[in-house]
Amino acid sequence: SAVISQKPSRDICQRGTSLTIQCQVDSQVTMMFWYRQQPGQSLTLIATANQGSEATYESGFVIDKFPISRPNLTFSTLTVSNMSPEDSSIYLCSVDGRWSGRTQYFGPGTRLTVL
Amino acid sequence: GENVEQHPSTLSVQEGDSAVIKCTYSDSASNYFPWYKQELGKGPQLIIDIRSNVGEKKDQRIAVTLNKTAKHFSLHITETQPEDSAVYFCAATADDDMRFGAGTRLTVKP
Repeated sequence: SAVISQKPSRDICQRGTSLTIQCQVDSQVTMMFWYRQQPGQSLTLIATANQGSEATYESGFVIDKFPISRPNLTFSTLTVSNMSPEDSSIYLCSVDGRWSGRTQYFGPGTRLTVL
Repeated sequence: GENVEQHPSTLSVQEGDSAVIKCTYSDSASNYFPWYKQELGKGPQLIIDIRSNVGEKKDQRIAVTLNKTAKHFSLHITETQPEDSAVYFCAATADDDMRFGAGTRLTVKP
């Protein structure tokens, strides 16, 4: 499976500011995904990021709030814009399992607290 | 879209006992069913998966069963150990769309 890293691992931010989360994979992957996991909850897909195309957002998530970049096959960023306390969550990136088909492998997550 | 229900939400067992977590799904097009284990402060880790052309799969103390007709699948952990304590998520995938259950917090008491 892939080795996936995320930066930062955690952050405390003030409301109204923005934070960019980075996701790095040690090998090329086709699809990268960004999830939000609110405290004690399940994983909710924010968007799918394919290299060379616009990210595809799920219902309830918009590009202005969560802009995503995917400049190459090993890297993606998610920005949480104009943050409010409701954005306090764990943000996870995952990659498709080109080695075993359709599964997803997750990064360690970014724990975000908005004051 | 796909809807995945997972039960129970919490499960407490004695070390050495078995644990069973059950999930149901709604989309008959779903054909891939992974299970993830998430320890505190970490991302979910794939522990076992099953595809729709298989009814059961086993990996040491972990097994997964799938009943396509009834649209349900289950995770079985035998001889539980304290290090099995974590939150477990089931998921169902149709094409590239993976949907997760709400999670089960498993506690194994020594």
